[in-house]
Amino acid sequence: AQSVTQLGSHVSVSEGALVLLRCNYSSSVPPYLFWYVQYPNQGLQLLLKYTSAATLVKGINGFEAEFKKSETSFHLTKPSAHMSDAAEYFCAVSTNTGNQFYFGTGTSLTVIP
Amino acid sequence: ETGVTQTPRHLVMGMTNKKSLKCEQHLGHNAMYWYKQSAKKPLELMFVYNFKEQTENNSVPSRFSPECPNSSHLFLHLHTLQPEDSALYLCASSQALAANNEQFFGPGTRLTVL
Repeated sequence: AQSVTQLGSHVSVSEGALVLLRCNYSSSVPPYLFWYVQYPNQGLQLLLKYTSAATLVKGINGFEAEFKKSETSFHLTKPSAHMSDAAEYFCAVSTNTGNQFYFGTGTSLTVIP
Repeated sequence: ETGVTQTPRHLVMGMTNKKSLKCEQHLGHNAMYWYKQSAKKPLELMFVYNFKEQTENNSVPSRFSPECPNSSHLFLHLHTLQPEDSALYLCASSQALAANNEQFFGPGTRLTVL
């Protein structure tokens, strides 16, 4: 079975600072990995996805994530935080053996002005 | 309308009521999903439909009854719910039922069971 662990349920950064949200996955077969963002009172929106092409994936709003198989990680980064980045972020994993998405518990990002 | 829409956005119901949640996707997708989102818990997949046929039921109690009349519409019928069923219910769709296909989510229905 697959699973995702998001370290840190709450992360606070200053405006303009680096954003780093951590995601580690567990999978016995090659995974597909996704990052979603959820703004208040909205559904989840895809930020980026890894589907076995380039290990460094660029997404929307200046976010990117790097797939590291040796570390079973897929951390999300953004060089400079903006106030509008404040939201809940979810990492998810899926594989061809099940087609289901397994989501983490989410990380709430606060941006301090 | 574009993307995935859900109605109503908010619903308050008593434990003896019967209500339905509606989801419509305007993306031409073939797979649709119901998820339950509770605070501090991972999203829980409830049901999966592919080309109108149910392919997954993740041990969901029978007080939740899904219906998929066509590939664009998905309903979740609710009856005799419990207070612990209060949550945000999210509908999603994807082009195909494939692991590398991203899912597109609606805004959700915030359900409160009294």
